[in-house]
Amino acid sequence: GAGVSQSPRYKVAKRGQDVALRCDPISGHVSLFWYQQALGQGPEFLTYFQNEAQLDKSGLPSDRFFAERPEGSVSTLKIQRTQQEDSAVYLCASSLAGADEQFFGPGTRLTVL
Amino acid sequence: GDSVTQMEGPVTLSEEAFLTINCTYTATGYPSLFWYVQYPGEGLQLLLKATKADDKGSNKGFEATYRKETTSFHLEKGSVQVSDSAVYFCALSDHGSGNTGKLIFGQGTTLQVKP
Repeated sequence: GAGVSQSPRYKVAKRGQDVALRCDPISGHVSLFWYQQALGQGPEFLTYFQNEAQLDKSGLPSDRFFAERPEGSVSTLKIQRTQQEDSAVYLCASSLAGADEQFFGPGTRLTVL
Repeated sequence: GDSVTQMEGPVTLSEEAFLTINCTYTATGYPSLFWYVQYPGEGLQLLLKATKADDKGSNKGFEATYRKETTSFHLEKGSVQVSDSAVYFCALSDHGSGNTGKLIFGQGTTLQVKP
């Protein structure tokens, strides 16, 4: 596709459930970022991949959050044992190597009941 | 650490009014500065950027100048339209040594333009 795609667009989970959020970056984009956007706030950095290597995971809020990009293309953000405070929009962005412009997907809105 | 602060909203203007949304930043390096826009029901889109001091970014009638002396990157438009109603985010990234280029965002400013 022409842009970054994310699925599902909406996810409702019961507290304690595991969820997996998918990101398909723009073809050829080496860099991939995940951000978390709480209601009424700006996005906050979670983690960064260069190809398949996870070079920065300093923004992951707890060890319940895990991200992977095994083949350097599609990425999955997994949240284990979801909590209500995990409710947010999760944004994925991709960019060319060394480029400062990031292209964002539409996000996945996660609601934890 | 690096941070971005932008004026709180919502900002409500009449069509054709002048717009300013203030943004200031703190950074240890030499960041690039951005304005992103989020229209209702859509994803974040890059509006404009500036990569070094005194650069002016511009797009769709919006402008912002990278002011190192005041650590600011205020967004301006001379005449807003109803279609400019959106949430605007100021952001920085630092591609300096050891940095990934992650974006650090302000909290966003909602703009409502009334006909």
